[in-house]
Amino acid sequence: DIQMTQSPSSVSASVGDRVTITCRASQGIRSRLDWYQQKPGKAPKLLIYGATSLQSGVPSRFSGSGSGTDFTLTISSLQPEDFATYYCQQPNTFPLTFGGGTKVEIK
Amino acid sequence: EVQLVESGGGLVQPGGSLRLSCAASEFTFSAYGMTWVRQAPGKGLEWVAYIKQDGSEKYYVDSVKGRFTISRDNAKNSLYLQMDSLRAEDTAVYYCARDPIRGDGYNFDHWGQGTLVTVSS
Repeated sequence: DIQMTQSPSSVSASVGDRVTITCRASQGIRSRLDWYQQKPGKAPKLLIYGATSLQSGVPSRFSGSGSGTDFTLTISSLQPEDFATYYCQQPNTFPLTFGGGTKVEIK
Repeated sequence: EVQLVESGGGLVQPGGSLRLSCAASEFTFSAYGMTWVRQAPGKGLEWVAYIKQDGSEKYYVDSVKGRFTISRDNAKNSLYLQMDSLRAEDTAVYYCARDPIRGDGYNFDHWGQGTLVTVSS
């Protein structure tokens, strides 16, 4: 199974800050990496697919990069509605696997 | 607007069974792969099972193989998860989600609101 490791597990930031979350796969997954946002009590929402492609309707302050085993999600200017937990997922091989999550909290 | 509505969750004793349903609307259900993902209380996301558009291929996480069965009825626009031999560790919110079949792997662009399954005596 491909293990997905996210860091940090939590980050405290202020509105307007630039936030970067990393995700590492235990083996190469080309550019097949997705990012989801989840708010408390809500279903996950797809933000980024294929490592860099923005899902329709997602603000452009979200961006993704990386390939192989190392990936990054960047929020260029944190907004109040961005405080949430973020998960990476490898969609390449069954069993599909998620990272442990990164909680973005208000500083 | 794409809608996915789960139902069938509830309280069940260890060793018992439950069948979850996911009703799909406002898209051509038969053209999409579908999946179940679960989330234990206070924990992260765990993929559970996936079924291809025509039901010809199914995949499961090891921890549910032989106990859970994913299925679909394209005529009824519905996805199912039959859960047998339930264990306490199956306690979670179960989400159904749609795979847009973009050719970039198995990711999920629309999700239901989730249904809670509690396994306890």
